[in-house]
Amino acid sequence: EPEVTQTPSHQVTQMGQEVILRCVPISNHLYFYWYRQILGQKVEFLVSFYNNEISEKSEIFDDQFSVERPDGSNFTLKIRSTKLEDSAMYFCASSVGRVTGNTIYFGEGSWLTVV
Amino acid sequence: AQTVTQSQPEMSVQEAETVTLSCTYDTSESDYYLFWYKQPPSRQMILVIRQEAYKQQNATENRFSVNFQKAAKSFSLKISDSQLGDAAMYFCAYMEYGNKLVFGAGTILRVKS
Repeated sequence: EPEVTQTPSHQVTQMGQEVILRCVPISNHLYFYWYRQILGQKVEFLVSFYNNEISEKSEIFDDQFSVERPDGSNFTLKIRSTKLEDSAMYFCASSVGRVTGNTIYFGEGSWLTVV
Repeated sequence: AQTVTQSQPEMSVQEAETVTLSCTYDTSESDYYLFWYKQPPSRQMILVIRQEAYKQQNATENRFSVNFQKAAKSFSLKISDSQLGDAAMYFCAYMEYGNKLVFGAGTILRVKS
């Protein structure tokens, strides 16, 4: 069964460093997302992306965050200057389209630890 | 903004027994979608079941079924014949227009052998 893949599975970074989390969505999917889960807390929406532009972003997704689809398969989340509070599991997800109700499929997550 | 509430932080069930996880939500919309996701210790988010609000029939997927009460804004998950592999965190989620998911706080399910 097709699945969303994410790399790295775990990354430790120094505060202030830039981090890029990578994702390969399911191949026929057109709508991509990043969600975040701080340890012990709810899964929170960060951003959705369609047709090479951001469709929607949350309050969490401030100027230090950016997303990109650099080629036909990868979808990346960049955090420019990491803070301690950025430590979390970051989930990439994708859906077939942007029609409300399309099931969203998640990757296994990238665990980011900022020290 | 829509909210999703899971009032049970933790539940336990004996293997082979049935357990029900509760979820309520708040919305002014009439058409929407509801989901249950499972998060095992590996932390991957796995879709368990989905429900379309305009369908009165409750969704079922093998041992998993829901009790969708639209007027009460309730969406509970029933797991029958519980197995050790069902042990996980379960998240209820509401889908807003634009395909954004709003998650509840989750319920930890423990399965006793």
